[in-house]
Amino acid sequence: LAKTTQPISMDSYEGQEVNITCSHNNIATNDYITWYQQFPSQGPRFIIQGYKTKVTNEVASLFIPADRKSSTLSLPRVSLSDTAVYYCLVGPPGILTGGGNKLTFGTGTQLKVEL
Amino acid sequence: NAGVTQTPKFQVLKTGQSMTLQCAQDMNHEYMSWYRQDPGMGLRLIHYSVGAGITDQGEVPNGYNVSRSTTEDFPLRLLSAAPSQTSVYFCASSSGQGHPLDLEGYTFGSGTRLTVV
Repeated sequence: LAKTTQPISMDSYEGQEVNITCSHNNIATNDYITWYQQFPSQGPRFIIQGYKTKVTNEVASLFIPADRKSSTLSLPRVSLSDTAVYYCLVGPPGILTGGGNKLTFGTGTQLKVEL
Repeated sequence: NAGVTQTPKFQVLKTGQSMTLQCAQDMNHEYMSWYRQDPGMGLRLIHYSVGAGITDQGEVPNGYNVSRSTTEDFPLRLLSAAPSQTSVYFCASSSGQGHPLDLEGYTFGSGTRLTVV
């Protein structure tokens, strides 16, 4: 997997939009970008995946600039329940979707949402 | 649809004891894996399997054994528990298609919190 750098922690308040940026300068042409969310005492949960431009689903949006050297996970109007650790992973589909290779996680970004 | 089920949720072992952490999935996923998560260290891969009868080592395999006799089950065995194996263990599975449009990613279980004293 490509090396990624993301903030260790972020704080926000309910109702705000939160943007978590992940740097991946050595991303390869066939690499995709995937984000996971982990609540305390639970396993990580897949949130969103993208290759370029913008991807949106019911949970979040993923913005990827043209050079793909970074990506931003955007959580609209966060609530207390969005307090979790968010992991950014970058790699080929074979790894990101379990095609027989090894998926490794870093320490992620701890997001704390307060009232 | 239960997803990935791990048992037990909590376990306390004495040093030297052995035990098996169970993992079962009902999604007909080919790929299954075990991770351990220690404070401040993210998740580290222990063992993984790309299908029934096939297993391989991950980043931290020492002290653990696995087998994959069926598609559904992927048990993790601790041969002789040590305090260093105190951790939270997660089992994960995926369809293993390796296709970029497979947007389900990995499905994780809720974890087993193991304490070795």
